[in-house]
Formats: sequence, C-alpha cells, structure tokens
Amino acid sequence: DIQMTQSPSTLSASVGDRVTITCRASQSISSWLAWYQRKPGKAPKLLIYKASSLESGVPSRFSGSGSGTEFTLTISSLQPDDFATYYCQQYESYALTFGGGTKVEIK
Amino acid sequence: EVQLVESGGGLVQPGGSLRLSCAPSGFTFSDHYMDWVRQAPGKGLEWVGRTRNRANSYTTEYAASVKGRFTISRDDSKNSLYLQMNSLKTEDTAVYYCVRADSSGYFDYWGQGTLVTVSS
Repeated sequence: DIQMTQSPSTLSASVGDRVTITCRASQSISSWLAWYQRKPGKAPKLLIYKASSLESGVPSRFSGSGSGTEFTLTISSLQPDDFATYYCQQYESYALTFGGGTKVEIK
Repeated sequence: EVQLVESGGGLVQPGGSLRLSCAPSGFTFSDHYMDWVRQAPGKGLEWVGRTRNRANSYTTEYAASVKGRFTISRDDSKNSLYLQMNSLKTEDTAVYYCVRADSSGYFDYWGQGTLVTVSS
C-alpha cells in the first residue's frame, strides 16, 4: 500500500496567518491526491481533488499544489472557521490511503 | 442536497456479525461508486472498501484488513448501501462512514457515521 505522511501533526496558528500543510507519498501518485477538512462531530468535507482542483463552494483561501510524491495544502489567511483537522488521501491505487492528519489549533 | 444516513451500528461481541446500512438521497445513487471509511477512536481515517456502479458491474475492492470478513453490497432499486461485517474483531471498533466517491477515487460526500463497538 502507498503510505501517506503528513506534517506537521499539529500546527498552532493565529487568525490571518498563512498556513501550509505537507503530505508525502511513499511512491509517485501523479496528481491523484485529495484534501479533506474534519471538525469534531462533523463529517469530513472535501476541499481539494486532483492535487490542486478546488471543490465547488470551498473558499478560495484554500489551495493545493504538488505532484509525484510531495504535496501541500495552503490556507492563505486563516479564518476562525478553519480550525480543524486536515487529511490528505491518495487515490492512485488500491488500497486508498489517508495521511495521519494535521490538527490546526488556535495559537 | 446530497445526504447519506448510516444506521445499524451498535455493540457486538468479538466473532459476531453486524450489518450497516446507508440511505442516500439528493442524487442518482445508481450512477455512483460508494465506499465505506472508518475511524477508530483516537486514530486516523481508514478506507474499508468500495462498490462500483452498475456500469462497472458493481465490482468491489476491499482493504486487506477486512477482506474476506466484510462484504459491501448495494440495492439500487431500494437506494441502499450495505456493509456486512462478519468475524468482528476488537480492532474493528470505529465510526463507520458511508461515502460517495467520484469514479477517479476521491470522496465528495460523507455521512455522519455510525459507531460500531466490538467488545465482550
């Protein structure tokens, strides 16, 4: 299986900060990567697919980049609603696998 | 509005069986791939398996950890998705999510989840 490694596991930031989360794949996954946001008690929400395509309705402060084995999710200006846990997921091959998550906390 | 509502979770003893159901609405169920994803307490997300749509012969894929024990099925006439779980282990304890998948592989809608606890 392809292993997905996210860093950092926890990130402390303030409203207005630019935040970057990294996801690395154990082998090339081309651009077959998605990013999700997860809040306590709520279902995960799709943010980005195909590494850099913004899902409809997702604010433009979210962006994704990368290909091959290294990817980033960037929040250009952190908003109060953005404090959550973020997961990457590869869909290049089965078994579909997720990163371990990055919790974005209030500084 | 797309909605996915899971049911059937509960407490079951190791070695037991349980069937989860998912009731989708707000989209044409028969057109879509559907998956199950789980999250154990304090752990990350783990993909369980997938059923493709009728156009792709309802073929299935499973994670190695559940292959041979879990079966995903669907009834398009009833707009329902199922996860039959047999030979349950304590490590299967998790919240199970019904998820709509794009045919390329990412998950565009998730249910709220149903808790399965495997314990004696």
